[in-house]
Amino acid sequence: RKEVEQDPGPFNVPEGATVAFNCTYSNSASQSFFWYRQDCRKEPKLLMSVYSSGNEDGRFTAQLNRASQYISLLIRDSKLSDSATYLCVVTAERGGADGLTFGKGTHLIIQP
Amino acid sequence: GAGVSQSPRYKVAKRGQDVALRCDPISGHVSLFWYQQALGQGPEFLTYFQNEAQLDKSGLPSDRFFAERPEGSVSTLKIQRTQQEDSAVYLCASSRTGENYGYTFGSGTRLTVV
Repeated sequence: RKEVEQDPGPFNVPEGATVAFNCTYSNSASQSFFWYRQDCRKEPKLLMSVYSSGNEDGRFTAQLNRASQYISLLIRDSKLSDSATYLCVVTAERGGADGLTFGKGTHLIIQP
Repeated sequence: GAGVSQSPRYKVAKRGQDVALRCDPISGHVSLFWYQQALGQGPEFLTYFQNEAQLDKSGLPSDRFFAERPEGSVSTLKIQRTQQEDSAVYLCASSRTGENYGYTFGSGTRLTVV
């Protein structure tokens, strides 16, 4: 079983709609959680951190459910520029540092 | 430099050839990670350096893969006797302290083995 599992999609969503996707993680010892965004042929970039209390950044809302070990991302009023792959990321101890463990990514396509 | 720099940007290697991929992290960044990203997959951890010390190499897929960071700055990932399954994007990320929210990724090296 993969450490981080996501629905790869693609999710085809009309512009202006709300879209949500989840991921699940298997390591209950994971301490930190993130959503990264990756555009085609580009490097991953941090979108937002995910906290148990939930957090919001503009049109983006992230939530963490530690008991069920899942993380969610909600995008409201989607824009064409939101089209990308969204990577769910949890930390795992690597040589004393917090290494990032990535999901496969969920591919989102916003349609005009 | 302003960001993490990786070179070459693209590399085509014949099967059996050795390759060397370079990562130039942000100046002063202590932590450096290498990841491998196959097509349609998320990045997979390969190895971690704190300064010049390689503290975790558990993700290296075989003994054909070797990484070093001799002076605690520039790092090189070497792949010997490349095989087709080595074709992927190799990403380098660095951080000032190893704190997870502070990682900056380079643009990656796209390796194609033919």
